Amino acid sequence: KQEVTQIPAALSVPEGENLVLNCSFTDSAIYNLQWFRQDPGKGLTSLLLIQSSQREQTSGRLNASLDKSSGRSTLYIAASQPGDSATYLCAVSVYTGANSKLTFGKGITLSVRP
Amino acid sequence: EPEVTQTPSHQVTQMGQEVILRCVPISNHLYFYWYRQILGQKVEFLVSFYNNEISEKSEIFDDQFSVERPDGSNFTLKIRSTKLEDSAMYFCASAIDRGLEQYFGPGTRLTVT
Repeated sequence: KQEVTQIPAALSVPEGENLVLNCSFTDSAIYNLQWFRQDPGKGLTSLLLIQSSQREQTSGRLNASLDKSSGRSTLYIAASQPGDSATYLCAVSVYTGANSKLTFGKGITLSVRP
Repeated sequence: EPEVTQTPSHQVTQMGQEVILRCVPISNHLYFYWYRQILGQKVEFLVSFYNNEISEKSEIFDDQFSVERPDGSNFTLKIRSTKLEDSAMYFCASAIDRGLEQYFGPGTRLTVT
């Protein structure tokens, strides 16, 4: 059974710092990996999708990497801002016959201090 | 930009009552999903749907749950007889292809009293 782990559960950094959020998964037979942002009481906003054949994806100040063989992904946030404060979720996708499903980690709650 | 919408945003119901949660996926998407998140816990997969039938359901998705795509645009989740433990945020998601990005709606917060 696929398990996704994100450690630590919470992180507090000063504004301007570059930071790395980690995600690990137990079964390397994934199709893709998605990083999401969740603000308190809100829905999930997709940040980046990395296909299993890719090593990294970039969007603005965000860079996500994937090492499928070791079961790890990282989300790098450059020059963090207070507006980046949110919970960041990692989810891996596996095929299930005609469809797929996401298995989520519990998330890392990031606080960026002004 | 197209987005997934969900109604209502918050529903309060009494234990044993039936509820229907509604979703309008992105119009050209073909793959549909329901997930839920109990407060403080992980987002969990409930069910996936493609080509007018359920593709897979989790162990949570028992006989009290059903899904339907009644009219080609809406996608609904029905809970026949709600329990206290069904209180959670329910998210609908859709994708254009099973291997591509899933787009999530804002969620419906279900409170069972």
